Amino acid sequence: DVKVTQSSRYLVKRTGEKVFLECVQDMDHENMFWYRQDPGLGLRLIYFSYDVKMKEKGDIPEGYSVSREKKERFSLILESASTNQTSMYLCASSFTGGHSPLHFGNGTRLTVT
Amino acid sequence: AQKVTQAQTEISVVEKEDVTLDCVYETRDTTYYLFWYKQPPSGELVFLIRRNSFDEQNEISGRYSWNFQKSTSSFNFTITASQVVDSAVYFCALSESNDYKLSFGAGTTVTVRA
Repeated sequence: DVKVTQSSRYLVKRTGEKVFLECVQDMDHENMFWYRQDPGLGLRLIYFSYDVKMKEKGDIPEGYSVSREKKERFSLILESASTNQTSMYLCASSFTGGHSPLHFGNGTRLTVT
Repeated sequence: AQKVTQAQTEISVVEKEDVTLDCVYETRDTTYYLFWYKQPPSGELVFLIRRNSFDEQNEISGRYSWNFQKSTSSFNFTITASQVVDSAVYFCALSESNDYKLSFGAGTTVTVRA
């Protein structure tokens, strides 16, 4: 079974802090994604990566950056956390091709105070 | 532009009732893929089904069934004889053939009461 592991289940950070959310997958998937989930809005794509060192902006990239130095790891970075970034963050991975099902991690619930 | 609409925010049923979740999508592409995911209270989204735009056959998997109708741009999901374990948030999603991105609907929360 594919395993997508997010380093933290819950995080509490202060406004202005730099925050790192880590995600690791163990199935050699080319594609990795970061979504945020908010009530009534579903999942919105922040960034995705289709190869090592490659990244593409999703629908809501403002205030975020990403890093993919190794194929199995995809990090989401909040350069200066703000309260409106309080959310559930979901990492996912898939084989190449938009039609491949995504495999999700358990999510990180981030609270910015 | 892609858009997925799940008009039902919440549905509450009693065990053994059937429940149908609606999904309406918009795309200009002729080749696209539709998905359903389940998010139980534990939080991890679980893939349920993928359907491409050229396959309009309905599908049944146990108590789950899906009705894909291109004429109405809908991909509805029915749970027959619901059980408490079906309580979850269900998401419909769309991707176009040359796009890595999956666009999700807002989700429908299903609560099955014993």
